[in-house]
Amino acid sequence: KNEVEQSPQNLTAQEGEFITINCSYSVGISALHWLQQHPGGGIVSLFMLSSGKKKHGRLIATINIQEKHSSLHITASHPRDSAVYICAVPNSNSGYALNFGKGTSLLVTP
Amino acid sequence: GAGVSQSPSNKVTEKGKDVELRCDPISGHTALYWYRQSLGQGLEFLIYFQGNSAPDKSGLPSDRFSAERTGGSVSTLTIQRTQQEDSAVYLCASSLGPGDQPQHFGDGTRLSIL
Repeated sequence: KNEVEQSPQNLTAQEGEFITINCSYSVGISALHWLQQHPGGGIVSLFMLSSGKKKHGRLIATINIQEKHSSLHITASHPRDSAVYICAVPNSNSGYALNFGKGTSLLVTP
Repeated sequence: GAGVSQSPSNKVTEKGKDVELRCDPISGHTALYWYRQSLGQGLEFLIYFQGNSAPDKSGLPSDRFSAERTGGSVSTLTIQRTQQEDSAVYLCASSLGPGDQPQHFGDGTRLSIL
């Protein structure tokens, strides 16, 4: 099983701050997923990336395949970014089903 | 457009009863996944369907859990003789096909076992 570690577990930031969430995994992968879960519970796929960097609005995801590490950055954070951010990688035993990190709970205060 | 639809959204039942949870994936998505999110446990994989291939059941926690997918579309997850530790949110996701694809999640079924 591909173990996924996220840090920090909890994060509080003031509006406008630059935020970084980290993810490490134990087994080489073909792609890594970043997901967002809002307090209502719905999960949204933010990024799927296999190399380099992807950007969508104020969100940037990077991955270093050799170091088995990925980061999710949020620039100019806003209270509506408050959510749980989850890193996930393919289950090495089960093809493309995902193994998930425990999530980072982000609170952005005005 | 229609996303992944799950029903019921909430289910409360007594210990020992059987429950059925339904997932209707996005039209045209051949891959379907069931996951479970328990309090304090995070998300865990249960079962994976891809097209007409035999499902990958390696994540099912016990033989009380089973799932089927009819006609390559709708899927039903069945839990027999429910136990209190089965209480969780059961999430379904679908993706376009095999390989690394973004997964689209339903809103989940919150299952509470009394």
